[in-house]
Amino acid sequence: QQQVKQSPQSLIVQKGGIPIINCAYENTAFDYFPWYQQFPGKGPALLIAIRPDVSEKKEGRFTISFNKSAKQFSLHIMDSQPGDSATYFCAARGWGGCTSYGKLTFGQGTILTVHP
Amino acid sequence: DGGITQSPKYLFRKEGQNVTLSCEQNLNHDAMYWYRQDPGQGLRLIYYSQIVNDFQKGDIAEGYSVSREKKESFPLTVTSAQKNPTAFYLCASSDGANTGELFFGEGSRLTVL
Repeated sequence: QQQVKQSPQSLIVQKGGIPIINCAYENTAFDYFPWYQQFPGKGPALLIAIRPDVSEKKEGRFTISFNKSAKQFSLHIMDSQPGDSATYFCAARGWGGCTSYGKLTFGQGTILTVHP
Repeated sequence: DGGITQSPKYLFRKEGQNVTLSCEQNLNHDAMYWYRQDPGQGLRLIYYSQIVNDFQKGDIAEGYSVSREKKESFPLTVTSAQKNPTAFYLCASSDGANTGELFFGEGSRLTVL
């Protein structure tokens, strides 16, 4: 199963709060889990990524927590700011059939709003 | 500056017309992709190309066509066979060595009237 399920669909927090976005997957062959951030009217950009042999990765205020046994991973944003308001996509990379192409499957996206 | 350039940014089309969206990259990336973005559905892969003169169907290729005659260009044609073409279209590229990091353009919003 190639799906990645993301929740919640939208999230509103106050400045300084810690929004958490969750993703779940079925395919145990996925080997790379990036998060993308998209501002209105722009294309997504890579924010942070993790591999399944690591349980946590932190870059600045952004942290990915990864639970391999549960097949879940989540994004935490510490001390959230209004400038973090954006759409966030989780993704997972799988390798299909006889090709060498590592295909990304994206979650449905989460619209985050951080109020001042 | 290196990056992905998509044009036009906004496009209106009448039903029954084909339309071509342009995508150019100067990152010297081998791989290029087209995604469709609809609210609540994430990004869905339309076509991808790992090398010049070769491309593969993604998950939702019906009603779309592409070409890859040059490394830096990967245009997408939305044909009249696409039943629900109104969407935000994103082009991306990646270094073939690491297909986990995609570099996206700013997108083209197509509206069918």
